[in-house]
Amino acid sequence: AQSVTQLGSHVSVSEGALVLLRCNYSSSVPPYLFWYVQYPNQGLQLLLKYTTGATLVKGINGFEAEFKKSETSFHLTKPSAHMSDAAEYFCAVSSQGSGAQKLVFGQGTRLTINP
Amino acid sequence: DVKVTQSSRYLVKRTGEKVFLECVQDMDHENMFWYRQDPGLGLRLIYFSYDVKMKEKGDIPEGYSVSREKKERFSLILESASTNQTSMYLCASSLPPGQGNIQYFGAGTRLSVL
Repeated sequence: AQSVTQLGSHVSVSEGALVLLRCNYSSSVPPYLFWYVQYPNQGLQLLLKYTTGATLVKGINGFEAEFKKSETSFHLTKPSAHMSDAAEYFCAVSSQGSGAQKLVFGQGTRLTINP
Repeated sequence: DVKVTQSSRYLVKRTGEKVFLECVQDMDHENMFWYRQDPGLGLRLIYFSYDVKMKEKGDIPEGYSVSREKKERFSLILESASTNQTSMYLCASSLPPGQGNIQYFGAGTRLSVL
């Protein structure tokens, strides 16, 4: 069975500071990994995804994530936070292959940006 | 752009009522999903469908059923609503495996059961 753990349900950073949101996964097969963002009163939208190939993945709005197989991690970073980054962020995992339809989500991390 | 539309943003129902949550997608996606979102628990899969009239239970199917009579529409049914079903419900759709496995979400329906 696959699982995702997001370390920290709330993260607060100052505007202009580094954003680091942590995600560790468990999967017995090669994973697909995703970060989604949810702005207030909206559904989830995809930030970035890792399938195969390059382990450093760039997404929208200046975010990136690095797949580290040895650490079973897929942490999300952004060099300089903007006020507009305030949202809830979800890490998710699915498996490669025919059973890949389902996603397993982490608990979410609410990011607050201080002016 | 992919569009997933949930028919209601907010619903208030009484305990014991039968509740229908509707979801429509316009991108001819085979797969559709219903999730429940609760604070601190993330998203939990209730049911998903990989084709018309085909469905599979997710992690928390108890108290729910689904219907998919047409490819673009996936309905979640609460046969007899209870207060512990007060939650945010999210619908999603996706292409089959091998085509990116990206799920596209609707804006959500916030259901209150009184």
